[in-house]
Amino acid sequence: NAGVTQTPKFRVLKTGQSMTLLCAQDMNHEYMYWYRQDPGMGLRLIHYSVGEGTTAKGEVPDGYNVSRLKKQNFLLGLESAAPSQTSVYFCASSYPRVYGYTFGSGTRLTVV
Amino acid sequence: EDQVTQSPEALRLQEGESSSLNCSYTVSGLRGLFWYRQDPGKGPEFLFTLYSAGEEKEKERLKATLTKKESFLHITAPKPEDSATYLCAVNGNNRLAFGKGNQVVVIP
Repeated sequence: NAGVTQTPKFRVLKTGQSMTLLCAQDMNHEYMYWYRQDPGMGLRLIHYSVGEGTTAKGEVPDGYNVSRLKKQNFLLGLESAAPSQTSVYFCASSYPRVYGYTFGSGTRLTVV
Repeated sequence: EDQVTQSPEALRLQEGESSSLNCSYTVSGLRGLFWYRQDPGKGPEFLFTLYSAGEEKEKERLKATLTKKESFLHITAPKPEDSATYLCAVNGNNRLAFGKGNQVVVIP
């Protein structure tokens, strides 16, 4: 039972490049989330999804896009990466009403 | 807007020295308060959920309590393997809002 799997684990981008982070869960969870974690800032919600085909903005959505074409996958895209997007990105999933999130192991992204 | 404040930011304990971590919160309609443990380079790992004032939950050397304004995570006789960052989060609108964490180091 893999839980929540994030790929890639590490990535270095140049300013202006684009990339997609993939999150996959095998627990049949309805809800999925993307957070970023920065030193001294805690976990901040970027976007989330309450079901297949639906997405919504979180606390810090600018510069990111998401898609949830399949229930088990939640993709986070950066169209034109900026140094301010250097961070550790975590995906999480849960059942409705949030009985507890299951987190992935994170993607460490550096934009130079 | 839901807000979570954790204190102290960092804590160094001698092995066996019990202590408590504080999580104060403001939320419009609490639907659960969560504690997570995070080890360096890893994702947060779920510890406890508390739903109503007066509720307590325990797991090994950890005990979480909840009042109407704050939660405490008590660490009893800690061991070096309890070293981690402990995150508190509240569910006020079907989304979790996290505090910045309590970084705990237990010295042998």
